[in-house]
Amino acid sequence: DAGVIQSPRHEVTEMGQEVTLRCKPISGHDYLFWYRQTMMRGLELLIYFNNNVPIDDSGMPEDRFSAKMPNASFSTLKIQPSEPRDSAVYFCASSLWQGANEQYFGPGTRLTVT
Amino acid sequence: DQQVKQNSPSLSVQEGRISILNCDYTNSMFDYFLWYKKYPAEGPTFLISISSIKDKNEDGRFTVFLNKSAKHLSLHIVPSQPGDSAVYFCAASAYNQGGKLIFGQGTELSVKP
Repeated sequence: DAGVIQSPRHEVTEMGQEVTLRCKPISGHDYLFWYRQTMMRGLELLIYFNNNVPIDDSGMPEDRFSAKMPNASFSTLKIQPSEPRDSAVYFCASSLWQGANEQYFGPGTRLTVT
Repeated sequence: DQQVKQNSPSLSVQEGRISILNCDYTNSMFDYFLWYKKYPAEGPTFLISISSIKDKNEDGRFTVFLNKSAKHLSLHIVPSQPGDSAVYFCAASAYNQGGKLIFGQGTELSVKP
């Protein structure tokens, strides 16, 4: 298996633009997680899905952020409009079941908003 | 509100010596703890875990210790190797709270030859 795939690996955009990050989880994994990494707060969970259904989006910072999982092999995280404070590394992870079990992370997308 | 804290942003250790990375938590409902390792430009990878019913778990050179009364856990690496240089994240979960992982800020370990 190729592992969790994320695209793009790097994204540079101007403030106010829409940004879409993409994730393909490991085949057969029922759970998908979106995280954001910053120096100050480390890895923050933004939202997670179980069988394509959003379960907990309490970590989504504000309405500018949205996430979808239209099928078991694809998820998107969208920021509209983007702001400089959204600059961070965004990780997608998947697992066979939630929480205590091992989560497999993708390589991340480094987002820079100027 | 940071429920999981790693107060040392960085640690430097000589090759062959012991590395001790620390983690504190505030939520007494946490019942499972994990350590992840992250190299630059890669995602975190699972390293070792411990259930709250134990106070120690060992896997090769890596040992995790849990002190529930102090709400503290630590990761010991013995002996440290240059390839261990990475960022280490502590994470915790509570089964009755959906089991999602709460991560700390990370500690960057540098092992010098």
